[in-house]
Amino acid sequence: NAGVMQNPRHLVRRRGQEARLRCSPMKGHSHVYWYRQLPEEGLKFMVYLQKENIIDESGMPKERFSAEFPKEGPSILRIQQVVRGDSAAYFCASSGNSLQETQYFGPGTRLLVL
Amino acid sequence: GNSVTQMEGPVTLSEEAFLTINCTYTATGYPSLFWYVQYPGEGLQLLLKATKADDKGSNKGFEATYRKETTSFHLEKGSVQVSDSAVYFCALRRDDKIIFGKGTRLHILP
Repeated sequence: NAGVMQNPRHLVRRRGQEARLRCSPMKGHSHVYWYRQLPEEGLKFMVYLQKENIIDESGMPKERFSAEFPKEGPSILRIQQVVRGDSAAYFCASSGNSLQETQYFGPGTRLLVL
Repeated sequence: GNSVTQMEGPVTLSEEAFLTINCTYTATGYPSLFWYVQYPGEGLQLLLKATKADDKGSNKGFEATYRKETTSFHLEKGSVQVSDSAVYFCALRRDDKIIFGKGTRLHILP
């Protein structure tokens, strides 16, 4: 049973470009969560999605960041007009059909903005 | 609000030493508690969890007990190995989100 998949694992962007991070949840999981880890910090919650719905985006920056989880295909975290402060590791997690179920994390995408 | 505080690292121990990483939490109600481990260059792996007071989570020789009276969830291992070198995160779940501590880096010397 494949775990949570994320790609790319490493992404380099110049300031002003767009970054697209993809996450495929574990098989059978319908809940996806995105977290950001700044250097030497713990993970911070960004957004929680179910298929075609954003359930909780209380941790998302108000501008430039968006997330989706379409009916078909992976979840996408999109960062427009990246700035150096966006450099971080972005982790996706997935869980089954209940909020009580364990969240399983992917390997992360490490974004570097030059 | 909900928060997790864990001891700052790095923690450096010799192989076969006893390990304790302290973790305390602030939360309304009784959240589920977790320890995650992050090996270099990798994502987080769930190490153990406890869902109610007095529960003990255990895995790979690690243990932690959910202490409601002291709002703590300290991680312990009786005899660490070099392969245990990693960053350890204490966390709690509140509704749909997991709230993490800042992490404790552990170095085990051979």
